[in-house]
Amino acid sequence: QSALTQPPSASGSPGQSVTISCTGTTGDVGGYPYVSWYQQHTGEAPKLIIYDGNKRPSGVPDRFSASKSGSAASLTVSGLRAEDEADYYCCSYVDNSHLLFGAGTKLTVL
Amino acid sequence: QEQLLESGPGLVKPSETLSLTCIVSGGSISTYYWSWIRQPPGKGLEWIGYVFYTGSANYSSSLKSRATISVDTSKNLFSLELTSVTAADTAVYYCAKGRSSWKTWGRGTLVTVS
Repeated sequence: QSALTQPPSASGSPGQSVTISCTGTTGDVGGYPYVSWYQQHTGEAPKLIIYDGNKRPSGVPDRFSASKSGSAASLTVSGLRAEDEADYYCCSYVDNSHLLFGAGTKLTVL
Repeated sequence: QEQLLESGPGLVKPSETLSLTCIVSGGSISTYYWSWIRQPPGKGLEWIGYVFYTGSANYSSSLKSRATISVDTSKNLFSLELTSVTAADTAVYYCAKGRSSWKTWGRGTLVTVS
């Protein structure tokens, strides 16, 4: 099964907002509420920033928010900071209780 | 605080079996789902599969015929075996707690097939 579709790159200046999309099908993003988002800095393990579509784990700032419309999910990072520069991955629950990641988006803070 | 630590050989020969272990400390493995996820160098994340503490497992369709995830509740660890490896299996392998989202991850271990 092909990876969920994410833009390879995104960028924004400090203080701005950036939105990263994650497009799938009715068999994954569009069919289940279980979309999660991960932030990964170079050389580190991924960090969960959104789960179950739009929930933030404790400790994740509210600058990170997510939503879904049909088979497309999106992550918005508001008030961009230098430390937000990282790779971002979406992940969706899929038919047969499987999981599928997006290809990843490299976020650059200009 | 619960921590996960992967261990296993960093180098595996083609056609052999990759074996990794994830030790869970600071918590009991007998309460949840446990997953393996990998990341080839310079590439994205790939879900491998998960196991429930009872031993029931589910695998990625692309790896199902080669992957086995097992759990040892007496040692508080779970394991991954991947048979008939090729260079395409070279990756950082992460263990993580959870089934459909993962808040707790290990640091990852690089396995090179060569």
